[in-house]
Amino acid sequence: HLVQSGAEVKKPGASVKVSCQASGYTFTDHHIHWVRQAPGQGLEWVGWVNPNSGATNNARKFEGRVTMTRDASITTAYMELRGLTSADTAVYYCARDKLQVPTYYYYLDVWGKGTTVTVSS
Amino acid sequence: EVVLTQSPATLALSPGERATLSCRASQTVLYQLAWYQQKPGQAPRLLIYDVSDRATDIPARFSGSGSGTDFTLTISSLEPEDSAIYYCQQRYVWPTTFGQGTKVEIK
Repeated sequence: HLVQSGAEVKKPGASVKVSCQASGYTFTDHHIHWVRQAPGQGLEWVGWVNPNSGATNNARKFEGRVTMTRDASITTAYMELRGLTSADTAVYYCARDKLQVPTYYYYLDVWGKGTTVTVSS
Repeated sequence: EVVLTQSPATLALSPGERATLSCRASQTVLYQLAWYQQKPGQAPRLLIYDVSDRATDIPARFSGSGSGTDFTLTISSLEPEDSAIYYCQQRYVWPTTFGQGTKVEIK
């Protein structure tokens, strides 16, 4: 079970931070991935965070703009995206990796409902 | 980056018919391919991983096959609730990538 924070509306150049609270399993046992979906478009992988070690990995196109963190004490993962443009308007999903840490599988078996981020002046 | 090309873009079939969805990779992804189902306003759901392994609670009418660069998702007998967009995903080459989706419509 992954519960995400509510919709956000941001101006170009701003930052957004989305949260994802896990329940029903051991939070530190599975990587959390972030995947986004622009309106009417397909799925795009953003990156993952290891809830146990805090290690992260992200797609090159987000390098320098995305930070993924976690707070294991409240079983919550976060994704912050900076320098927003209209191209970042999308639904952002968090999803659990099917395999347990330290291995990652990239197959995503539990998903949050998504957080809509709208970037508009 | 591996490009996954799905076809057809849309498939319109009647309940009980067989649906065959294709996913072609721009380079080999061995057997490391998954399929997801997404209904309007919902998050994707994992159906199949590693080409042919069904995820938890996925009905047996969903099956996957293929290897290398050509993969198929088959829905043996369509149910009305199978109306959705289906995406393939590869994990063999970093970064993981998704296809653009095939929309299945039930007549």
